[in-house]
Amino acid sequence: DQQVKQNSPSLSVQEGRISILNCDYTNSMFDYFLWYKKYPAEGPTFLISISSIKDKNEDGRFTVFLNKSAKHLSLHIVPSQPGDSAVYFCAASVTGGKLIFGQGTTLQVKP
Amino acid sequence: EAGVAQSPRYKIIEKRQSVAFWCNPISGHATLYWYQQILGQGPKLLIQFQNNGVVDDSQLPKDRFSAERLKGVDSTLKIQPAKLEDSAVYLCASSQQGYNQPQHFGDGTRLSIL
Repeated sequence: DQQVKQNSPSLSVQEGRISILNCDYTNSMFDYFLWYKKYPAEGPTFLISISSIKDKNEDGRFTVFLNKSAKHLSLHIVPSQPGDSAVYFCAASVTGGKLIFGQGTTLQVKP
Repeated sequence: EAGVAQSPRYKIIEKRQSVAFWCNPISGHATLYWYQQILGQGPKLLIQFQNNGVVDDSQLPKDRFSAERLKGVDSTLKIQPAKLEDSAVYLCASSQQGYNQPQHFGDGTRLSIL
């Protein structure tokens, strides 16, 4: 039972353009969502989070959008840079509960 | 601040052998987590500690996996005996006490079972 799904295993984007990574979830009780970035041979690094009381959170080039009715969140990276090339995981939890991770999306930003 | 420290970085053992991983969380972080990440999947929580008490170990295969967090700081995760399907990266993470605190991960231990 995959409660958090990232249906695109990979995404390729040109440097300077927008990267949009998508994530769907099935549990309507989830109220806290995060995105992590992972480079090879390193642990995941926290990127940005959003609470279910918001529909948008912005931090520099990174913006997360939450659509509760569609049970969908997305991460926008603008502008994309080659250093953004990594695996991106979305994760969700019910407050006080454990994080459930998606399978990850590999982003490649081409110079 | 120093990040989450894990050792060893790599470990190769034969099936039925035992192995142990060590984790030192970020100073002051009360909550510590152990995750298993199988290739091509996201991390899956094995066990969560709050100080030195277990909060959630519902997905820990207790017949072969054990974990402890003595004195509420460092933690060890042990597998005995190992099976082929235990080949994975074992990640340790820590967070500050309280709801919805982001978890900070170490670089993990890559375990290969022959």
